Amino acid sequence: RKEVEQDPGPFNVPEGATVAFNCTYSNSASQSFFWYRQDCRKEPKLLMSVYSSGNEDGRFTAQLNRASQYISLLIRDSKLSDSATYLCVVTFNNAGNMLTFGGGTRLMVKP
Amino acid sequence: EAQVTQNPRYLITVTGKKLTVTCSQNMNHEYMSWYRQDPGLGLRQIYYSMNVEVTDKGDVPEGYKVSRKEKRNFPLILESPSPNQTSLYFCASLDRGRQYFGPGTRLTVL
Repeated sequence: RKEVEQDPGPFNVPEGATVAFNCTYSNSASQSFFWYRQDCRKEPKLLMSVYSSGNEDGRFTAQLNRASQYISLLIRDSKLSDSATYLCVVTFNNAGNMLTFGGGTRLMVKP
Repeated sequence: EAQVTQNPRYLITVTGKKLTVTCSQNMNHEYMSWYRQDPGLGLRQIYYSMNVEVTDKGDVPEGYKVSRKEKRNFPLILESPSPNQTSLYFCASLDRGRQYFGPGTRLTVL
């Protein structure tokens, strides 16, 4: 079993839809959690950190469920420009330098 | 501007011809790492460095070398490239859990 797993998708949704991705992790000692966005053939860029109480940034909401060991990303009112691959990252130490990437979930927003 | 740079961005080479991909960051980060990304396999860590002169193997180190003589630079060396090293390579530096990626180097080994 992989340490960090994501549904690879693709998720095909119409503009304006709400879409949610999950990312499960196997190490219960995991410390920090992040969502990155990666456009085709480009470098991953930090989308948002995931805090224990959940956090929101505009149309994006991230949540953490430690009991069930998953994090989620909710995108409301999807835009064409949201089409990308979304990677979750889980770290395993305080320094944050022991980490694992999920395989990514591809989102395609259609007109 | 805070950034990680890589060179070259694109490279086509032949089996066995030694090459170096440079990586430099201007954020004074101690931790740097190299990844390769292949379809269906996601990002896999090749090597990482926790500080100057401190390097360690990641998940897929075979066929690669690195060095960290200065904090800002972390070159990736392929002594004898093979076709299975054809991939998209990313360098990254890290600060408090957040990774800053370079723009990527697309390498093709014929």
